[in-house]
Amino acid sequence: DTAVSQTPKYLVTQMGNDKSIKCEQNLGHDTMYWYKQDSKKFLKIMFSYNNKELIINETVPNRFSPKSPDKAHLNLHINSLELGDSAVYFCASSQTLGQGNSPLHFGNGTRLTVT
Amino acid sequence: AQSVAQPEDQVNVAEGNPLTVKCTYSVSGNPYLFWYVQYPNRGLQFLLKYITGDNLVKGSYGFEAEFNKSQTSFHLKKPSALVSDSALYFCAVRDETNAGKSTFGDGTTLTVKP
Repeated sequence: DTAVSQTPKYLVTQMGNDKSIKCEQNLGHDTMYWYKQDSKKFLKIMFSYNNKELIINETVPNRFSPKSPDKAHLNLHINSLELGDSAVYFCASSQTLGQGNSPLHFGNGTRLTVT
Repeated sequence: AQSVAQPEDQVNVAEGNPLTVKCTYSVSGNPYLFWYVQYPNRGLQFLLKYITGDNLVKGSYGFEAEFNKSQTSFHLKKPSALVSDSALYFCAVRDETNAGKSTFGDGTTLTVKP
């Protein structure tokens, strides 16, 4: 009974390609996130959605486009992949915004390698 | 803007000894503070949180953390380390005045040697 699941777990692709990563949570949470973890293990927020509405959009290239068809799903589409996009991408969810005591629940990550 | 600092990239302790992983923070409103642990090839797992109340909070796997408002610190502690505690630890601060954004420290790798 995985709480936050991401697919695929590994993604190897060539520069210039377009790829998508899918995320689903079965925790009933209203808020979902995408985080990027680089090769030094630094973790940085990319996007956050609350009830399908975009609420955080950090300085991320326009090639990255999140989509939330419903509050249980948050997908990430990446156009024209570049070498620097290689990283581990984590999806996370939390309870309703405004409940500051709610921790994040993370998926196990998608390791993206661009060659 | 909120920020978190973990001053040590690496902490090494012997099994059975106490451990401390340091964290300091900066946030404009009330601090909501969290510790997470990451094992290899896994996502982050929640360990414990401070929202309000007692300065010493207890969490999973025998970990605890001490909130110090004057020093703006939230150090993670455990009285007796286990080899299985070896992992990457992240401190985070959540700002409800900034769309609930969680900002993470750079992480501290804890190695517990037998």
